[in-house]
Amino acid sequence: DQQVKQNSPSLSVQEGRISILNCDYTNSMFDYFLWYKKYPAEGPTFLISISSIKDKNEDGRFTVFLNKSAKHLSLHIVPSQPGDSAVYFCAARANRDDKIIFGKGTRLHILP
Amino acid sequence: NAGVTQTPKFQVLKTGQSMTLQCAQDMNHNSMYWYRQDPGMGLRLIYYSASEGTTDKGEVPNGYNVSRLNKREFSLRLESAAPSQTSVYFCASSEFNRNYEQYFGPGTRLTVT
Repeated sequence: DQQVKQNSPSLSVQEGRISILNCDYTNSMFDYFLWYKKYPAEGPTFLISISSIKDKNEDGRFTVFLNKSAKHLSLHIVPSQPGDSAVYFCAARANRDDKIIFGKGTRLHILP
Repeated sequence: NAGVTQTPKFQVLKTGQSMTLQCAQDMNHNSMYWYRQDPGMGLRLIYYSASEGTTDKGEVPNGYNVSRLNKREFSLRLESAAPSQTSVYFCASSEFNRNYEQYFGPGTRLTVT
């Protein structure tokens, strides 16, 4: 059973607009959430994270929102740029665990 | 500072052949991981090593073995390759007490015919 779900396999957004990528989770023991970005033929790279004690974390154009009651988080990219076209993975870690669980990813296309 | 390196970048095997994927990190991280990425399946954990001398199974360990050779190196072995193991393999490392960020290598694209 998937513990981290990214229900949108792909998303297309006009350049300059806001991109919103969503992620749902089922395990209430998750206490830390991360977003990774992956370009073709490269390894994933860390983008932004949030602890379960916060509901928002911002880093430049990227903001992650966490709604614990809904077990939902989202990544906002404003404004979207062509270089943001990539696959985005949501990931989560359970308290005291050594590993993180990844979602299946969402492919973001930024349209000119 | 090379980060996480993986060899080889590409490999084609015949069914039943064996091979070892190599991974090394120069960030002095305690934890290392092996993932496979398949279309529509995301990143699935094969094995991980929380520290030198320890290894644990992940979500999809069948058909694989690992060795944590030292703190820097973590290898993944396929003893008898099968077409179902055709995938892109990523190695990653992290420092457990630092935000759990994992640093990934560039990947090995493996095809089993």
